[in-house]
Amino acid sequence: DGGITQSPKYLFRKEGQNVTLSCEQNLNHDAMYWYRQDPGQGLRLIYYSQIVNDFQKGDIAEGYSVSREKKESFPLTVTSAQKNPTAFYLCASSIDPGGPYNEQFFGPGTRLTVL
Amino acid sequence: SQQGEEDPQALSIQEGENATMNCSYKTSINNLQWYRQNSGRGLVHLILIRSNEREKHSGRLRVTLDTSKKSSSLLITASRAADTASYFCATDPDNAGNMLTFGGGTRLMVKP
Repeated sequence: DGGITQSPKYLFRKEGQNVTLSCEQNLNHDAMYWYRQDPGQGLRLIYYSQIVNDFQKGDIAEGYSVSREKKESFPLTVTSAQKNPTAFYLCASSIDPGGPYNEQFFGPGTRLTVL
Repeated sequence: SQQGEEDPQALSIQEGENATMNCSYKTSINNLQWYRQNSGRGLVHLILIRSNEREKHSGRLRVTLDTSKKSSSLLITASRAADTASYFCATDPDNAGNMLTFGGGTRLMVKP
């Protein structure tokens, strides 16, 4: 059963804590992405990775960090430097980011709430 | 930055009616994609239209692209209550390293 999984589904963070969101895919896709979605809004790109051991900042990378040590995994850490982290976080992957058919496949999302 | 802007932001129709959503963008593109999101879930890819295509169909979905006006429309025919969701357009600008840029979405409610 191929797809993208994200865990946990819900996450609560105290102020000052770092938390890590998991994203795993078994689609053999090279590219992976992290987006943030605020209520009633569209998606904003946090980080993306087109190949293992390489990643690039998106539009709103401040306060976030990522790693890409394996093709299947692209974890996102929300650090204490992120001042307003409460949001819905979506992970995605694509097989052909440089080609004409670069549709993305999304995970179910993680809802992060700061207490 | 959001390149695509959907219109309307919200749409409420009766089951059986057609729903039309529009997307405008600012720069030249390689392709434009439409996605659907059910409340609290991830996005699902619906359809991709390339910059050299003008119209594309998939089941009850019809997408048009007018590159001269930098706009696209998504038509859902004979809507069903299960079509209730948010719909997003995403553009692949031809100078952005193939990073998709998503619009703010249209929230569609189909009343039974």
